[in-house]
Amino acid sequence: QKEVEQDPGPLSVPEGAIVSLNCTYSNSAFQYFMWYRQYSRKGPELLMYTYSSGNKEDGRFTAQVDKSSKYISLFIRDSQPSDSATYLCAIGKTSGSRLTFGEGTQLTVNP
Amino acid sequence: EPEVTQTPSHQVTQMGQEVILRCVPISNHLYFYWYRQILGQKVEFLVSFYNNEISEKSEIFDDQFSVERPDGSNFTLKIRSTKLEDSAMYFCASSAGATNEKLFFGSGTQLSVL
Repeated sequence: QKEVEQDPGPLSVPEGAIVSLNCTYSNSAFQYFMWYRQYSRKGPELLMYTYSSGNKEDGRFTAQVDKSSKYISLFIRDSQPSDSATYLCAIGKTSGSRLTFGEGTQLTVNP
Repeated sequence: EPEVTQTPSHQVTQMGQEVILRCVPISNHLYFYWYRQILGQKVEFLVSFYNNEISEKSEIFDDQFSVERPDGSNFTLKIRSTKLEDSAMYFCASSAGATNEKLFFGSGTQLSVL
């Protein structure tokens, strides 16, 4: 069983839509959860960092963690064409441990 | 905004040759990392480095790989004898503290082994 799984998409939505991106993980030892955005030919850029179950909001982005189901989500409200990128979930066992990444979901927001 | 700088952006080499990928982490950062991403695959951890020592390494990071901080600003990844399967985008990352909360990635070096 893979440590983390993410639907690679691609996902295409109209501007203004709410986007839902998801990952599942298999090992309850993972306690830290991140979402990265990656534009073409660029490195991953951290969007959200959380370590507790529940929701964390930052502007149009909300990260949701359900440790009991081993399920993490990223919601993007009022999506913009500039949100078009690949979104990667990443998990870690401690705050500074190696990160295990999902496959990434390619998102396109159409004007 | 400070950034992690990687050079070159694209490196082409022949199988069996040695390559050195270079990174300049953010200046006050103390923790350094290499990750790689083979085309179409996940980003994978290679190695973490702190206080002039390897903190953690993955199964990928075998004897063909080495890292070094030769001076106060550079952090390098050396592959001694490249294989075709080493072709990937290599990302350097750095953080000020022992936490991924402020982990910054460079734009990567695309390594092509022919």
